[in-house]
Amino acid sequence: KNEVEQSPQNLTAQEGEFITINCSYSVGISALHWLQQHPGGGIVSLFMLSSGKKKHGRLIATINIQEKHSSLHITASHPRDSAVYICAVWTSGGSNYKLTFGKGTLLTVNP
Amino acid sequence: SAVISQKPSRDICQRGTSLTIQCQVDSQVTMMFWYRQQPGQSLTLIATANQGSEATYESGFVIDKFPISRPNLTFSTLTVSNMSPEDSSIYLCSGTNRGFTEAFFGQGTRLTVV
Repeated sequence: KNEVEQSPQNLTAQEGEFITINCSYSVGISALHWLQQHPGGGIVSLFMLSSGKKKHGRLIATINIQEKHSSLHITASHPRDSAVYICAVWTSGGSNYKLTFGKGTLLTVNP
Repeated sequence: SAVISQKPSRDICQRGTSLTIQCQVDSQVTMMFWYRQQPGQSLTLIATANQGSEATYESGFVIDKFPISRPNLTFSTLTVSNMSPEDSSIYLCSGTNRGFTEAFFGQGTRLTVV
């Protein structure tokens, strides 16, 4: 079982729909990132969360530390939101920190 | 936040050759990492690039295949040596600030080995 599980793997929506992507993790973490990966491979960090909720424009991210679960919501989705969304968690082993990534959710928003 | 410039963005290479990927950061970052993303897979950590010393490699990755340099706090290189088609992947560098509260990513290098 992967340490970071995302669902769904693929998501197709119509423009304007409300979208939710879920992330569950099984390890202790210091923080969680939501990332956006474009077709060329480049990655943009959308949010870093260690508790609660954050909002940036039409994007909202929440995290429940006790339940080891986070969600990324997109309101009023648009075709330009089409990308792979990746959940990643900071884990540490002694003094070594590393990001562990989910497999990503491929979002396609149709006009 | 820091900006990481990664070069090249893509390359097609002959098997048996080597490719060096560079990442330049516009400000000092505490730690730098190199990842590989094979087709259809999640990002996997290759190694942590340590400034002025040997990189720390994850299980399954070795220095002879993936030599890494980090001469200062703003620059690192990853070389993919003696390439085979199985090395065709996206390679990505990232950096983090001291408190691990921010992560910055390069644009990725899409490597195809023929």
